[in-house]
Amino acid sequence: QVQLVQSGAEVKKPGASVKVSCQASGYTFTGYYIHWVRQAPGQGLEWMGWINPSSGGTNLAQKFQGSVTMTSDTSISTVYMELSRLTSDDTAVYYCARGIFGVDNDAFHIWGQGTMVTVSS
Amino acid sequence: DIQMTQSPSSVSASVGDRVTITCRASQGISSWLAWYQQKPGKAPKLLIYAASGLQSGVPPRFSGSGSGTDFTLTISSLQPEDFAIYYCQQANSFPWTFGQGTKLEIK
Repeated sequence: QVQLVQSGAEVKKPGASVKVSCQASGYTFTGYYIHWVRQAPGQGLEWMGWINPSSGGTNLAQKFQGSVTMTSDTSISTVYMELSRLTSDDTAVYYCARGIFGVDNDAFHIWGQGTMVTVSS
Repeated sequence: DIQMTQSPSSVSASVGDRVTITCRASQGISSWLAWYQQKPGKAPKLLIYAASGLQSGVPPRFSGSGSGTDFTLTISSLQPEDFAIYYCQQANSFPWTFGQGTKLEIK
């Protein structure tokens, strides 16, 4: 079946970086954008950006430009989201998500299980 | 950025009730609106896309309507499994943005 499986929980110190993976299966990996959405504890959803796994092109919300890098490895159907210069405000669950139609402005149909990133000294 | 404002922020209702949640965009977004349901500890689940398209597998008691700046999600007859948080999301203008969420609680 179509699914996205993310890497496990991380605990990082302020100033460090974290890299979260999202492995796709059950569909043509290069046919759909992958989006990243985060959710701080008890808070709402925040869209971070997308990556086109086929071209490697990305589009990040301005807030995350300069601190977030998204990459893809088509050989293993996996995308990565790296967040650098972590602060306590980055403590959140990070989700990858795939759209319905394979366009950038899509509704998010398939979600990963989420990866909890905790930033603490 | 386009701001998405949901109302109410929380609502209490009983099984069998009809519930409507509203989402207003700070500027027109055509029909580029989706609705999601989220339960504690789980990823969001897509209910409605393109303002009124029912995602496959979602019960028909869920419906969406609207275009431009004003949108609604209606649950025609609440079931016990519907108590959750609901979010709207626009994908018309970059960056995509979510509403703040509406918590649907049991009365």
